[in-house]
Formats: sequence, structure tokens, C-alpha cells
Amino acid sequence: SQQGEEDPQALSIQEGENATMNCSYKTSINNLQWYRQNSGRGLVHLILIRSNEREKHSGRLRVTLDTSKKSSSLLITASRAADTASYFCATGGSGYSTLTFGKGTMLLVSP
Amino acid sequence: DAGVIQSPRHEVTEMGQEVTLRCKPISGHDYLFWYRQTMMRGLELLIYFNNNVPIDDSGMPEDRFSAKMPNASFSTLKIQPSEPRDSAVYFCASSFFGGAGSTDTQYFGPGTRLTVL
Repeated sequence: SQQGEEDPQALSIQEGENATMNCSYKTSINNLQWYRQNSGRGLVHLILIRSNEREKHSGRLRVTLDTSKKSSSLLITASRAADTASYFCATGGSGYSTLTFGKGTMLLVSP
Repeated sequence: DAGVIQSPRHEVTEMGQEVTLRCKPISGHDYLFWYRQTMMRGLELLIYFNNNVPIDDSGMPEDRFSAKMPNASFSTLKIQPSEPRDSAVYFCASSFFGGAGSTDTQYFGPGTRLTVL
């Protein structure tokens, strides 16, 4: 079964607005990663947050992690049309492990 | 580095035919993954290799699927015979494990869109 589950499944906003996507997972993790997939392309790594971190920033991206609730959120501030894509969370275990991907949130940013 | 390279980018074939998908991982990476993506099932891990050795193939759907990694710079995923339900986008990804404290970030290729008629 999928480890990460994103919410919402789809999100439609206007340029300039903020977009928030959530991810819930079931088991303990070593880190949680967010990936973006543009239509017809492969997944691209955006940001990683370790289990001992609570918040991380990268440009217009802000990721939070609440291990007590087994959840994470990805905030994209001041969205642009180019942010239109699917966003996936993926969880990694201890040591080296495979990643388990959710089904993603489809984000549509309209000009 | 050119990133992960996959070929072909698109493949259309008829049911019963053999299909071979190819992947060149990023140089120096020691893990290679094959995924399948469909609308219904999302992104599924099929098999992964570490230092050219298959570690876990429990995601391979049937015996019709096989994967090899003859060297560190090349892997193939073969479907024989192909069926319409194999239609999907197949991704190859690679990563590097740098020891304790490193992460398992994966780098994906552009994918191969397979259509089986």
C-alpha cells in the first residue's frame, strides 16, 4: 500500500496565490521528500526534510514536518503558471531504503 | 552530467510483441530503480539494483517482465510478451548512497511511454 497520501488530489489557484499541499504517512521515517512532475516528464526532486527537522525553506518552497501526526505540508508562495505540475511526497526509511511515493497532488496555476 | 537517460521515449507495439526499455543511470550512482506509472495505480516500484545486483523484484507484476543490469552504466527492462494492460509510462531512476547520514534522493529519467495495442 502507498506510504504517503497527498491531499488534496487536485488544486486550482490563480497566479500570485499560495498553494498548500499535505502529505500523510503511516510508519516511522528517516526523511520525507517532495518531488515535482511536469506533464510528460520525469519526477524532479524539490526538497528533503529529515525526521529531526520541523521546517525547511528553499526559495519559494516551505516544507513542514510533524512526526507526531505523521504529516508534512508543502507551501509554494507567490505561485506562477510555471508551477503547474503534479507534486508527490516520498518517504524514506532508516539506513538506505527505497522511497515510497504517494499518488500526488495536481496543481493548476492560472495566469 | 546528462542525467538519467532512457530510450526509447515512446514505444507503440502490438500485443504479443517483445518490448525492451533501456536506461543509462547517472555516472557514479550505485542504485538503479525501475518504476511504472499509471493513472489508476500511480507510481509503482518494479525492481531495484544495487551495484548491478537485483535487490528486490517483488514489484515485477508477472514473469513476462524481466530486468537486467549487465554493468554500472546500463539497464534494460523487458516485457515478453506484451499485453495492452502493460501500457504505462516506465521510469528509470538512480541514486547514490554516500554512507551514514546520506539521503536516498532519486534522480529520474524522462520516461518511456509504452502503448500496447
